[in-house]
Amino acid sequence: SQQGEEDPQALSIQEGENATMNCSYKTSINNLQWYRQNSGRGLVHLILIRSNEREKHSGRLRVTLDTSKKSSSLLITASRAADTASYFCATLYSGNTPLVFGKGTRLSVIA
Amino acid sequence: DTAVSQTPKYLVTQMGNDKSIKCEQNLGHDTMYWYKQDSKKFLKIMFSYNNKELIINETVPNRFSPKSPDKAHLNLHINSLELGDSAVYFCASSQEGGRGFDTQYFGPGTRLTVL
Repeated sequence: SQQGEEDPQALSIQEGENATMNCSYKTSINNLQWYRQNSGRGLVHLILIRSNEREKHSGRLRVTLDTSKKSSSLLITASRAADTASYFCATLYSGNTPLVFGKGTRLSVIA
Repeated sequence: DTAVSQTPKYLVTQMGNDKSIKCEQNLGHDTMYWYKQDSKKFLKIMFSYNNKELIINETVPNRFSPKSPDKAHLNLHINSLELGDSAVYFCASSQEGGRGFDTQYFGPGTRLTVL
């Protein structure tokens, strides 16, 4: 399976702290995307990072990509209770395969 | 205005029945997808259509038949429902050609329960 792996599976932090989630993948990629899913809702796209990029920012979100280690991380700074959700990485591998989603990290931010 | 909408939101039915889920997007995108999310939250692509043409069919049983009457709609028909079909089904759309080169916009999901 080419499914990526998020780490940790679950993370619980206090409001105001930073949250870091990691994603490892298997082979060379075209891009890697991060999505958020609130309970009972659809997925919402956060950031797309291409294989030739190393870092991207969006508001309180920072995504890094290390192609030598085949890994990516999502950092949420100054977390809020509203950030409580599951976070998924999705990898588009080189070749003809579709986007592959990982199993997600469940983040709980406690007020 | 809902960008990607699905109906129904909940669907409870007996084994062996046939059911359909509808999806519509008003984003003007060329590509639409169906995903299945199981009870462990694992999300897997089933189909993608680009301009009404099938691009991806990920070894889904042929009891599942997508139909795209136009590029704004992608419906999913399921025949002879089985217990294992119970899941949340998500529709999504994107501007690009069907694999994941671009941001995907997801619908709210349809929770299917087969009894």
